[in-house]
Amino acid sequence: AQSVSQHNHHVILSEAASLELGCNYSYGGTVNLFWYVQYPGQHLQLLLKYFSGDPLVKGIKGFEAEFIKSKFSFNLRKPSVQWSDTAEYFCAALDNSGGSYIPTFGRGTSLIVHP
Amino acid sequence: GAVVSQHPSWVICKSGTSVKIECRSLDFQATTMFWYRQFPKQSLMLMATSNEGSKATYEQGVEKDKFLINHASLTLSTLTVTSAHPEDSSFYICSATEQGHEQYFGPGTRLTVT
Repeated sequence: AQSVSQHNHHVILSEAASLELGCNYSYGGTVNLFWYVQYPGQHLQLLLKYFSGDPLVKGIKGFEAEFIKSKFSFNLRKPSVQWSDTAEYFCAALDNSGGSYIPTFGRGTSLIVHP
Repeated sequence: GAVVSQHPSWVICKSGTSVKIECRSLDFQATTMFWYRQFPKQSLMLMATSNEGSKATYEQGVEKDKFLINHASLTLSTLTVTSAHPEDSSFYICSATEQGHEQYFGPGTRLTVT
């Protein structure tokens, strides 16, 4: 079964610091990859996604992620975080080959940005 | 972007009663809808996957007779928690998707069973 690992469970940063959140998936076939964000009191929303093409994906609010197939990774990055980036971040992978389209989520990373 | 609504946003019920939660895709036709539970400070736990017009596929450990899912149309799925108990208290989230695309999440329903 496919699994998604997020190595950083809790991250605390000061504003303007750089961010990198790790995400690794286990499946070796064709996958669609996603990062979702859940701001306090709000519902989950898509930050960015990778289906194919350029492995460096740009998302909303200055976030980007790089798909490295050889490392089974899809790490999320932001060069300079803001207080408003405080949220839960979830990485997800979707097996695109079997037709089931059932996504697998990582356990999430809680990011706190101090002003 | 696509919008998914859930109703109610919160509900309090007595132990032994049943509660129905609705999930609607407002501006697109969702071939697949997912139901999750989210515990405090934890990730999403997938409960079941439902495709329009067919029976839901439940994840291991999820009681299908307790959590009844109906996906009658491409824009509506319902989750009924039958004979609710306090341990069913949780945050229930639905999402809708067109095959292989990103999921659009509803705002969630906070269920409290007293």
